[in-house]
Amino acid sequence: SQQGEEDPQALSIQEGENATMNCSYKTSINNLQWYRQNSGRGLVHLILIRSNEREKHSGRLRVTLDTSKKSSSLLITASRAADTASYFCATVHLGSSNTGKLIFGQGTTLQVKP
Amino acid sequence: SQTIHQWPATLVQPVGSPLSLECTVEGTSNPNLYWYRQAAGRGLQLLFYSVGIGQISSEVPQNLSASRPQDRQFILSSKKLLLSDSGFYLCAWRVGARGYTFGSGTRLTVV
Repeated sequence: SQQGEEDPQALSIQEGENATMNCSYKTSINNLQWYRQNSGRGLVHLILIRSNEREKHSGRLRVTLDTSKKSSSLLITASRAADTASYFCATVHLGSSNTGKLIFGQGTTLQVKP
Repeated sequence: SQTIHQWPATLVQPVGSPLSLECTVEGTSNPNLYWYRQAAGRGLQLLFYSVGIGQISSEVPQNLSASRPQDRQFILSSKKLLLSDSGFYLCAWRVGARGYTFGSGTRLTVV
């Protein structure tokens, strides 16, 4: 079943601007991950944040996690045309760490205009 | 190096025909393996996962089945395809704390 809800569903910005995508989930998690998918391709892992972490950075990416609100956000700074893709959050439920089942949200489609 | 192979990339099959999609991983042993399906413009739905040879767990009752005959081989099958089986199928394996690695996917169109 789908657990995550992502907001917005679609986002269009100019190159150089920042892009923020939000994800909410329903049940307690072990960790939350963000993935990127270029059109018609497989998914690429971007970043993983554990339930006891509040913020994580990787290059131009910044992820925050608020377990009290069951939400996360992905910030892409200084966006580039090459960042155009769909972005998905995915969660591993608390208690599913052995099986590692990833439950995905519906995704945010980001368009970065040159 | 650790890699995942998934084939074919695209497949057009008539309704009622059988299906076999294969996924293999290299550079690891005893991985957790997963099959996902993505409908157009949607998120990924977990279909099956496996924590070891011969161990298959089904997440969604459907027309599909999965098997794991070898440690690094995961197969998705159907005896008779339905129109609703069309979609983008992705195999994945868990790479510990580094997240999951996905295959390049198979786009299946049932006609």
